[in-house]
Amino acid sequence: NAGVTQTPKFQVLKTGQSMTLQCAQDMNHNSMYWYRQDPGMGLRLIYYSASEGTTDKGEVPNGYNVSRLNKREFSLRLESAAPSQTSVYFCASRPLALGNYEQYFGPGTRLTVT
Amino acid sequence: LAKTTQPISMDSYEGQEVNITCSHNNIATNDYITWYQQFPSQGPRFIIQGYKTKVTNEVASLFIPADRKSSTLSLPRVSLSDTAVYYCLVAPGANNLFFGTGTRLTVIP
Repeated sequence: NAGVTQTPKFQVLKTGQSMTLQCAQDMNHNSMYWYRQDPGMGLRLIYYSASEGTTDKGEVPNGYNVSRLNKREFSLRLESAAPSQTSVYFCASRPLALGNYEQYFGPGTRLTVT
Repeated sequence: LAKTTQPISMDSYEGQEVNITCSHNNIATNDYITWYQQFPSQGPRFIIQGYKTKVTNEVASLFIPADRKSSTLSLPRVSLSDTAVYYCLVAPGANNLFFGTGTRLTVIP
């Protein structure tokens, strides 16, 4: 199993450009998440999807959109990138299992907006 | 949303036991307590979870008092490779999680 995979690993954008960050998991997990982590800070939740077909806002959703394409894939889109969106983006997934609260994280995408 | 308070940083010598305490005064009845570890340039990694009393696995122990308003992660005999940031989370069953800034543990040779 590859676990949680993210593409690309690195990306540089100019202000105003758009891009989509891809995330896929092969563990048959129900819930998927997108976080951002700024230097020296903890993770902040952008959006999450509790199950296929549903998405909800997290702590910092402004400037982002998401799509839960199917059970495996959860993408994050920046429509018009801004320098404030320079960050490391992590995708995570979690199974729907009573008593199991472990999230599995991907390796991250390092995004720089100039 | 139950937030947590942890020390910003801790130093320890190799081979010592390290205890990191987390306060979560507003923890709800159904909330679990979860700890994650994060190395530089990597995503967080689950360490341990618990509801009450004590939980132990091959990596760490988690101590939770009866009132559940705090918890302590115990790492036995730390090594240099345990240098990382440790996050305490509550309500991990909920989807809107708060990671906070964590505790930066530095293990000294």
